[in-house]
Amino acid sequence: GAVVSQHPSWVICKSGTSVKIECRSLDFQATTMFWYRQFPKQSLMLMATSNEGSKATYEQGVEKDKFLINHASLTLSTLTVTSAHPEDSSFYICSASAGLVGRENEQFFGPGTRLTVL
Amino acid sequence: RKEVEQDPGPFNVPEGATVAFNCTYSNSASQSFFWYRQDCRKEPKLLMSVYSSGNEDGRFTAQLNRASQYISLLIRDSKLSDSATYLCVVRYSSASKIIFGSGTRLSIRP
Repeated sequence: GAVVSQHPSWVICKSGTSVKIECRSLDFQATTMFWYRQFPKQSLMLMATSNEGSKATYEQGVEKDKFLINHASLTLSTLTVTSAHPEDSSFYICSASAGLVGRENEQFFGPGTRLTVL
Repeated sequence: RKEVEQDPGPFNVPEGATVAFNCTYSNSASQSFFWYRQDCRKEPKLLMSVYSSGNEDGRFTAQLNRASQYISLLIRDSKLSDSATYLCVVRYSSASKIIFGSGTRLSIRP
């Protein structure tokens, strides 16, 4: 149990276009999901916390108008990178807590989306 | 100072060796601690939680030292498949975000 999927797994786009990444909890409901970005040879950096039915909470330095997050249901959160530029090329990963007894603090990660902006 | 700091490595050790990593954290109010493993171009996967009394899972042993604010991971009888980046993770509470260390790269050679 506690499977998180992401779609697409990789995407290549032209500079200036927008890209939407979906994060789904397949067998549990997630009131909170987290979005991370990871550049090569660096650690995961939290971008925002996505709350079902309310606005996302963005980390300092993350532009909310550029990285649009929508958490419309308990199993789906989306991240849209608007007007993507080459510097946005990165590995984007989502995670969620499944609320499993004894594993409340464990984060389950999606497989990630590799974005390349040309 | 970073909230969670790790030696980036790489640690390059022979198969069968014992290797240990440390990770320090700055917030004394931190409550939960974990070690995650991340393979190249993959998502992190939980290796083990770290409990106050220390805990062991097969060849892996995790320790927590609250007084000095560090956690450690010991890998015994290392296997080639242990080659990965090991991420130290700290969480202030069950309701708060989790903080990742920058990771320690481990490479096991035959």
